[in-house]
Amino acid sequence: DGGITQSPKYLFRKEGQNVTLSCEQNLNHDAMYWYRQDPGQGLRLIYYSQIVNDFQKGDIAEGYSVSREKKESFPLTVTSAQKNPTAFYLCASGPGFTDTQYFGPGTRLTVL
Amino acid sequence: GQQVMQIPQYQHVQEGEDFTTYCNSSTTLSNIQWYKQRPGGHPVFLIQLVKSGEVKKQKRLTFQFGEAKKNSSLHITATQTTDVGTYFCAGQGYGNKLVFGAGTILRVKS
Repeated sequence: DGGITQSPKYLFRKEGQNVTLSCEQNLNHDAMYWYRQDPGQGLRLIYYSQIVNDFQKGDIAEGYSVSREKKESFPLTVTSAQKNPTAFYLCASGPGFTDTQYFGPGTRLTVL
Repeated sequence: GQQVMQIPQYQHVQEGEDFTTYCNSSTTLSNIQWYKQRPGGHPVFLIQLVKSGEVKKQKRLTFQFGEAKKNSSLHITATQTTDVGTYFCAGQGYGNKLVFGAGTILRVKS
């Protein structure tokens, strides 16, 4: 069953803790992305990766970090430096940088 | 940098009425994509437009790409309750990353 998965669906953390969100795809896509969505708002790009072992900052990278050690995986760490981390986080992948993006189901992070 | 503006932000229609959302880019685009996000869900790809003046249809949905490749529209004929959700356009400049508009939230009264 091909697709893109994110876990967990809901995540609660205390303020000051780092947290890592998982994103896995078995679509053999080269490009992967992380977006943040706040209630009633659009998608803001956090980080993206066009190929393994390479990634670029998006529009709101401060307070976040990523790695791309494997083609299938693109985990996102929300660090304590992120001022307002409570949001809906969406991971996406695509065959190439200029292609359609396929989204995972998202992780809803709440920082208490 | 490239910006993509989308209007209206929100629209509430009676079932059976038509609906249109508009997308404008600050720069010429190589292509524009449309996505739909159901309440509580994730964005799902609908269509990609590449050619100047292109028009594509999917059942009751009609997508247009402007002649100058800087604007686009999505028109839904005779809305149904299943059309509820947020519609995003996403524009891609030549060699650049995809930039999403803020989305139009559609609510349908039955």
